[in-house]
Amino acid sequence: QKEVEQDPGPLSVPEGAIVSLNCTYSNSAFQYFMWYRQYSRKGPELLMYTYSSGNKEDGRFTAQVDKSSKYISLFIRDSQPSDSATYLCAMSALNSGYALNFGKGTSLLVTP
Amino acid sequence: DGGITQSPKYLFRKEGQNVTLSCEQNLNHDAMYWYRQDPGQGLRLIYYSQIVNDFQKGDIAEGYSVSREKKESFPLTVTSAQKNPTAFYLCASSIGWQPGTEAFFGQGTRLTVV
Repeated sequence: QKEVEQDPGPLSVPEGAIVSLNCTYSNSAFQYFMWYRQYSRKGPELLMYTYSSGNKEDGRFTAQVDKSSKYISLFIRDSQPSDSATYLCAMSALNSGYALNFGKGTSLLVTP
Repeated sequence: DGGITQSPKYLFRKEGQNVTLSCEQNLNHDAMYWYRQDPGQGLRLIYYSQIVNDFQKGDIAEGYSVSREKKESFPLTVTSAQKNPTAFYLCASSIGWQPGTEAFFGQGTRLTVV
């Protein structure tokens, strides 16, 4: 079993919809949780970062971490065609330095 | 502009040849990383370097080599020993090695073996 599981999609939604992206993990030592957005043929860019459990909101984006369920989510409100990209979750543990464990990424398409 | 520059963007290599991918950063970051991304796969760590003149193997280092002679440069050589080198290669850097530190990525090099 991979340490980080993420449904690759693709996920297609109409413009304005609320999008929910999720990852599950098996390593209870993970404490740092990140979401990266990657446009086609580009490098990933950090979208959201949370430490331990809880919620974090930034504009239309909300990241949630539920450590008891080993489950993280990224919500996108009022989705736009420009949100069409691959979303990668990544996480790291306190005792592993920076080493990030990535999910496979979920491909999102927001249609006008 | 500060950032990470990878070159070339596209690279073609014949089987049996070594090839070197360039990665330069002007962010004054200590740590640098090389990842490989295959279709439908997440990023897998090849090598990382926490400081100049030091580097460590990641999860899939076989068939690859790196050097870190300068803080701003972390070239990756894909050797002929790498059995399946066709992939998208991403270089990243972070200010330090501490957990949770943000990594900044370059735009990637797409390597194709012909």
